[in-house]
Amino acid sequence: GQNIDQPTEMTATEGAIVQINCTYQTSGFNGLFWYQQHAGEAPTFLSYNVLDGLEEKGRFSSFLSRSKGYSYLLLKELQMKDSASYLCASVDSNYQLIWGAGTKLIIKP
Amino acid sequence: IAGITQAPTSQILAAGRRMTLRCTQDMRHNAMYWYRQDLGLGLRLIHYSNTAGTTGKGEVPDGYSVSRANTDDFPLTLASAVPSQTSVYFCASSLMTGGNSPLHFGNGTRLTVT
Repeated sequence: GQNIDQPTEMTATEGAIVQINCTYQTSGFNGLFWYQQHAGEAPTFLSYNVLDGLEEKGRFSSFLSRSKGYSYLLLKELQMKDSASYLCASVDSNYQLIWGAGTKLIIKP
Repeated sequence: IAGITQAPTSQILAAGRRMTLRCTQDMRHNAMYWYRQDLGLGLRLIHYSNTAGTTGKGEVPDGYSVSRANTDDFPLTLASAVPSQTSVYFCASSLMTGGNSPLHFGNGTRLTVT
């Protein structure tokens, strides 16, 4: 079967760094997305990885290892507005998105 | 402002009633999707459309139907609502199907079936 695993909840301190992990098992692989979703709002696109390595976008970076079926989202210099759920989604061989349940990130001052 | 508009924002519906959730996009995206989001579960695809005039079934299509008469509109209909259809429904679009085309989401419809 197809499966995406990510931690349910994480807590971090304002100004710190946090890494949110995602492991995936899908039939085929055509890339991995990360989305941010604030409570009561729509998911918004953060990043897409299809090749191994680290992609950096300002305070946010996303890493992919295809051989390990593993990705992480790295958030630096955490701000209170980063409190949100972070959704990992893998693209399978049929170009369908398989979504994780999301990681709720709580930022404390 | 370009984007996706969903209506209504929220709705309380009696079981057995028929309901259509509306979704309109003005980005000229080819692909559109309907998802439901339930606590503790990932987004689950209900139906999708790769281009105007075509639709397909997702992971949880039972009890729902869609149509795609034109590029902009993608309504979702619940023919006879049941309590298990209580959920938050998101419409989304992407420039094309597959690969690295990110999804753009509407603000969601919160539906409660009593």
